[in-house]
Amino acid sequence: DAGVIQSPRHEVTEMGQEVTLRCKPISGHDYLFWYRQTMMRGLELLIYFNNNVPIDDSGMPEDRFSAKMPNASFSNLKIQPSEPRDSAVYFCASSSPETGVYEQYFGPGTRLTVT
Amino acid sequence: DAKTTQPPSMDCAEGRAANLPCNHSTISGNEYVYWYRQIHSQGPQYIIHGLKNNETNEMASLIITEDRKSSTLILPHATLRDTAVYYCIVRADQTGANNLFFGTGTRLTVIP
Repeated sequence: DAGVIQSPRHEVTEMGQEVTLRCKPISGHDYLFWYRQTMMRGLELLIYFNNNVPIDDSGMPEDRFSAKMPNASFSNLKIQPSEPRDSAVYFCASSSPETGVYEQYFGPGTRLTVT
Repeated sequence: DAKTTQPPSMDCAEGRAANLPCNHSTISGNEYVYWYRQIHSQGPQYIIHGLKNNETNEMASLIITEDRKSSTLILPHATLRDTAVYYCIVRADQTGANNLFFGTGTRLTVIP
């Protein structure tokens, strides 16, 4: 298996622009997680899905952030409008019903820079 | 969920065993100990987990004390590629709040 795939790997955008981050989980995994990592706050969970349904979005910073999972193979995280404080590395992770929700497999991340 | 305490940093000579400690004195009976690591510029990587018995896989061994208040992750023959931040996380294996809290971890530096 190719592992969790994220695109793009790097994104540089100007304040006010819409940003879309994409994730393809490992095939057969039924949980999908979006995390954000910054030096100041460490690794934070933003939202997670189970069987394509959002379960907990309490970590989403504000209404500018939204996430969808239209099918088992794809999820996206949108920021509109983006702000400089959104600059961070965004990770997607997935986990399998066989190994349990806490054995999560992370993608390589998307490094977002908002100028 | 139980709080964990780890030393902020450790060094280990290449080829030697790296022993990373974690204290979780408030752990509950149904809580597992998970270990992850994050190599620079990469996503976190699952290593191993256990409940009360010692566990071993191709990456590492996990030793949990009998009272379960502490554990040690052992990398038997550390290589330079094992330089990373190692996170000890305690979670109950249940449906519901399924997030992992990574904390600050231990920065392991493997020295040539």
